[in-house]
Amino acid sequence: KAGVTQTPRYLIKTRGQQVTLSCSPISGHRSVSWYQQTPGQGLQFLFEYFSETQRNKGNFPGRFSGRQFSNSRSEMNVSTLELGDSALYLCASSWRGLDRHTGELFFGEGSRLTVL
Amino acid sequence: GQQLNQSPQSMFIQEGEDVSMNCTSSSIFNTWLWYKQDPGEGPVLLIALYKAGELTSNGRLTAQFGITRKDSFLNISASIPSDVGIYFCAGQRSNFGNEKLTFGTGTRLTIIP
Repeated sequence: KAGVTQTPRYLIKTRGQQVTLSCSPISGHRSVSWYQQTPGQGLQFLFEYFSETQRNKGNFPGRFSGRQFSNSRSEMNVSTLELGDSALYLCASSWRGLDRHTGELFFGEGSRLTVL
Repeated sequence: GQQLNQSPQSMFIQEGEDVSMNCTSSSIFNTWLWYKQDPGEGPVLLIALYKAGELTSNGRLTAQFGITRKDSFLNISASIPSDVGIYFCAGQRSNFGNEKLTFGTGTRLTIIP
């Protein structure tokens, strides 16, 4: 069973640019969550999508947005990049139907963004 | 955003030693999970706990769901080099449903040769 796939794995942008990251979940998983990981702040929750709807949202500014497609693939976008956006962005998928334990996430390897 | 407090932040041990780490919260969680992150990879689920007082093992790893529901513990026995990495706890207020996870700050484990 293929795991969670994130693309690109590495990218370098400059301040003010925008970036789009992609995540393909495990087949059958309908939930996709996004996390930002930095050395100082640990794993910070960005948002979760389930069946194309945003179901949960973290405390990030509106520059961070996401969406989910009908095949459960998800993208996140960061506009007007700032230096502090440099981080590892992790995507996690899970079944997360209301009838199952929903904390069991399967993470991708992440997209490492560097903003210069 | 809210995070769980993990301790210690880092550990330097010798191969073969036992390891203990814990995670505490000011509020109650009804699900506790432990993840491990190897360098350059995403976190991987190690153990999931769903009941206060529960003690669950996965090989050399043992985790406990604290009775107060405000803490959890992870022990690793007879550490080996592949145990190196960052260990994260995570909590969820419900056992089911769509509530998001809250992650701990991580414990970085290093094995000294």
